Amino acid sequence: AQTVTQSQPEMSVQEAETVTLSCTYDTSESDYYLFWYKQPPSRQMILVIRQEAYKQQNATENRFSVNFQKAAKSFSLKISDSQLGDAAMYFCAYGDNAGNMLTFGGGTRLMVKP
Amino acid sequence: GAVVSQHPSWVICKSGTSVKIECRSLDFQATTMFWYRQFPKQSLMLMATSNEGSKATYEQGVEKDKFLINHASLTLSTLTVTSAHPEDSSFYICSASVSYTFGSGTRLTVV
Repeated sequence: AQTVTQSQPEMSVQEAETVTLSCTYDTSESDYYLFWYKQPPSRQMILVIRQEAYKQQNATENRFSVNFQKAAKSFSLKISDSQLGDAAMYFCAYGDNAGNMLTFGGGTRLMVKP
Repeated sequence: GAVVSQHPSWVICKSGTSVKIECRSLDFQATTMFWYRQFPKQSLMLMATSNEGSKATYEQGVEKDKFLINHASLTLSTLTVTSAHPEDSSFYICSASVSYTFGSGTRLTVV
């Protein structure tokens, strides 16, 4: 079974600074998907970024980028120019080969200080 | 983009009653939908996989007779919490296959 681990229960960043959230996973598959979701207080799950395992290039979405290290089974999220609206729970997730069922990490609460 | 609509957003019910939660894919067809449960300050846990036209697949430890799932069409899946009890109070959220998008979730409180 796949597992996803987020070792940082809480992180804090100063507004406009950069922060990196860590995620490691375990799988025996070679083809899979990885995701970062943002969950604000409304509890809506918002897809931030996704990475296909077969792609070596790291995914980027505006201020959000990932560092995908397949051999190390590491998938960190970097948020640049942090904004107050970035404050939320962030979940790392693993998707199976069909990209459907997701396995989530325990989450990291990100606080942004003005 | 792919939109998943979930209703109701919140519901309060009396112990012993049943509650139905709907999850709809608005602009695409979802042959498979996933139902997750989230306790306060915890992560999402998969409860069941809903397949259109067939029986749902439940995760270990999830009571299939308590959490009835119906997926009668390619755009609608429903989760019915039967004979609800206070321990069923939680946040329930659905996700449609392929899209990786989630409904807005339902906060259930059983009193």
